[in-house]
Amino acid sequence: EAQVTQNPRYLITVTGKKLTVTCSQNMNHEYMSWYRQDPGLGLRQIYYSMNVEVTDKGDVPEGYKVSRKEKRNFPLILESPSPNQTSLYFCASSLRGRGPYEQYFGPGTRLTVT
Amino acid sequence: QKEVEQNSGPLSVPEGAIASLNCTYSDRGSQSFFWYRQYSGKSPELIMSIYSNGDKEDGRFTAQLNKASQYVSLLIRDSQPSDSATYLCTWNNAGNMLTFGGGTRLMVKP
Repeated sequence: EAQVTQNPRYLITVTGKKLTVTCSQNMNHEYMSWYRQDPGLGLRQIYYSMNVEVTDKGDVPEGYKVSRKEKRNFPLILESPSPNQTSLYFCASSLRGRGPYEQYFGPGTRLTVT
Repeated sequence: QKEVEQNSGPLSVPEGAIASLNCTYSDRGSQSFFWYRQYSGKSPELIMSIYSNGDKEDGRFTAQLNKASQYVSLLIRDSQPSDSATYLCTWNNAGNMLTFGGGTRLMVKP
């Protein structure tokens, strides 16, 4: 089954404790992206990757890191999480020919930072 | 500033009616527009894309694009309770990023 998977789905952590949210897709998509979704602010793009070893900042990259060492994986790293990073996070992917627009989204990761 | 604006709703329509969702954008250079549907607690899913002025129909859904007036709309005919969701308008910024509107919450009442 073609899908984007994220782990963990739910995470409660404390301020300053490094964490990684994994994202993997099995569709051989070149483009991958991370979003956060907050009430009243909608979906905002954090980082995106056009292909392996190619990443770039989105609208809200502060406090986040990403890497793209393999085509299928695009982990999101929070080196020192803070309460304002409490949010719902989505990973997404799409075919290169479709640009960043026709994306498949993962199920989401709900992160709480206390 | 490049923005996508949507009425947050909720937009309430009776079952069987036509639901009309609208989105305005500020960047005249925008070329492609997309509608995503998001059920509560779930991830967004693409339901319509439109690239040129006019209408595009897919089943009960019709997307309308008017570049001169800078708006895009989504019509849902014969609305069903299962259409109750938040609808997100989005567009390309001639680059590699995607900008989403805040979404319109649709409620279809039986």
